[in-house]
Amino acid sequence: AQSVSQHNHHVILSEAASLELGCNYSYGGTVNLFWYVQYPGQHLQLLLKYFSGDPLVKGIKGFEAEFIKSKFSFNLRKPSVQWSDTAEYFCAVSSSFYNQGGKLIFGQGTELSVKP
Amino acid sequence: NAGVTQTPKFRVLKTGQSMTLLCAQDMNHEYMYWYRQDPGMGLRLIHYSVGEGTTAKGEVPDGYNVSRLKKQNFLLGLESAAPSQTSVYFCASTRTSGPYEQYFGPGTRLTVT
Repeated sequence: AQSVSQHNHHVILSEAASLELGCNYSYGGTVNLFWYVQYPGQHLQLLLKYFSGDPLVKGIKGFEAEFIKSKFSFNLRKPSVQWSDTAEYFCAVSSSFYNQGGKLIFGQGTELSVKP
Repeated sequence: NAGVTQTPKFRVLKTGQSMTLLCAQDMNHEYMYWYRQDPGMGLRLIHYSVGEGTTAKGEVPDGYNVSRLKKQNFLLGLESAAPSQTSVYFCASTRTSGPYEQYFGPGTRLTVT
C-alpha cells in the first residue's frame, strides 16, 4: 500500500539548533515529493518540492531536502532554526503520472516547537 | 487573485444534520480535492475531481458526497453528520501538468455534537 511515514511526531529545539525531520515513503513508480508547513491557525503552504533533477532541493525560509531514491527518503533540513519556524510539517508524495489525478498522500505530520 | 477560498470557516452541527462546504478557486485549475485533518493522522483525501462534472473517491469517502458542477467550485456535502466527522476540512487545487503542487484553502473547522 502507498504510504508516507514521518519519524518524529513532536520535536523540540532551541533557537539556532539544526533541524532534520525524517520522511520515508512507500510508493510504486516515479514520484513527486513535497514538504508543506502549517503555522498555527493557518492553512498549508508549500516549503519545497522535488520532481526531477538535482536530488538536493532548496525551499523557502532556508529549508532544504534531499531525495535519496535508494532509501525512499526525503528528509527536511535547516541549519539554524528560529522561533518563527514553530509549526507542523508534513511530508507528502504523489505519482508523477498524469493519469493519477495528482493525489497527495501525506505523512502524519511533525510538530516542531522552537524555544526562544 | 484570491487563490483557494472556503466557506464557512467554522460550523457546529448536531448529529444527523446536513451541511455543504463550498470551495472556490480562481486559478483555472482542473484538479480539486477535499481532505480532512485529524490530530496525529495528517491529511486524508476524502474525494477529488479531475475536471468539471467528474468526481472520484479518495481514502476516506464514507459519509460524504461531492459535486463539481462548475470548474471553479467543488462542494463537499454531509448528508447526516456524525461526531466522527468532527475535523478540519481543507480544499486544494492543482493544474493538470506535473509536479502537481497543490494550493490549499484556509480550512473549515467542523464540530458535530
